[in-house]
Amino acid sequence: DVKVTQSSRYLVKRTGEKVFLECVQDMDHENMFWYRQDPGLGLRLIYFSYDVKMKEKGDIPEGYSVSREKKERFSLILESASTNQTSMYLCASRRGQETQYFGPGTRLLVL
Amino acid sequence: AQKVTQAQTEISVVEKEDVTLDCVYETRDTTYYLFWYKQPPSGELVFLIRRNSFDEQNEISGRYSWNFQKSTSSFNFTITASQVVDSAVYFCALSAWGSWGKLQFGAGTQVVVTP
Repeated sequence: DVKVTQSSRYLVKRTGEKVFLECVQDMDHENMFWYRQDPGLGLRLIYFSYDVKMKEKGDIPEGYSVSREKKERFSLILESASTNQTSMYLCASRRGQETQYFGPGTRLLVL
Repeated sequence: AQKVTQAQTEISVVEKEDVTLDCVYETRDTTYYLFWYKQPPSGELVFLIRRNSFDEQNEISGRYSWNFQKSTSSFNFTITASQVVDSAVYFCALSAWGSWGKLQFGAGTQVVVTP
């Protein structure tokens, strides 16, 4: 079974803090993704990575950065958290055009 | 540009009723993939089905069935004899060949099944 894990299920941070969300997959997938989910908006792609050290912007990259130093790990970074970044963050991984598998999600609250 | 539309925001049914979720997509690509995911209250997205653009066969899996029609750009999902455990948000998604596997999601349809 494909396993995608995220470092936290719930996170509370203060405005201006630097926030790291970690994602790890155990299936040697080359592609990894970060989405955010907000009510009524569905899931929107923030960033994705198709190989180690490679990254591409998604639809809403502003305010975020990413890091992929190892194939199995893809980190999402909020350099200076703001209240409008309060959301559910979902990580996913995929091999080629195969099915994309998701982690359990991190619910981030920025106060 | 790709777009996925799930026009139904919420559907409420009584247990054992059938429920059909609509999904309409737009893409200029000739090769693409369509997906349905289920998101229960726990929040995790659970994969249900994947279809490629060359395979228009309908599929049935237990109480779930899918109707893919390229002529109308639709990929509808039916739950037969719904159960309370089917209560969840259901997402339709599209990815084009060569897009690094990026998924374009619809806004989701909330299904509420009451006993």
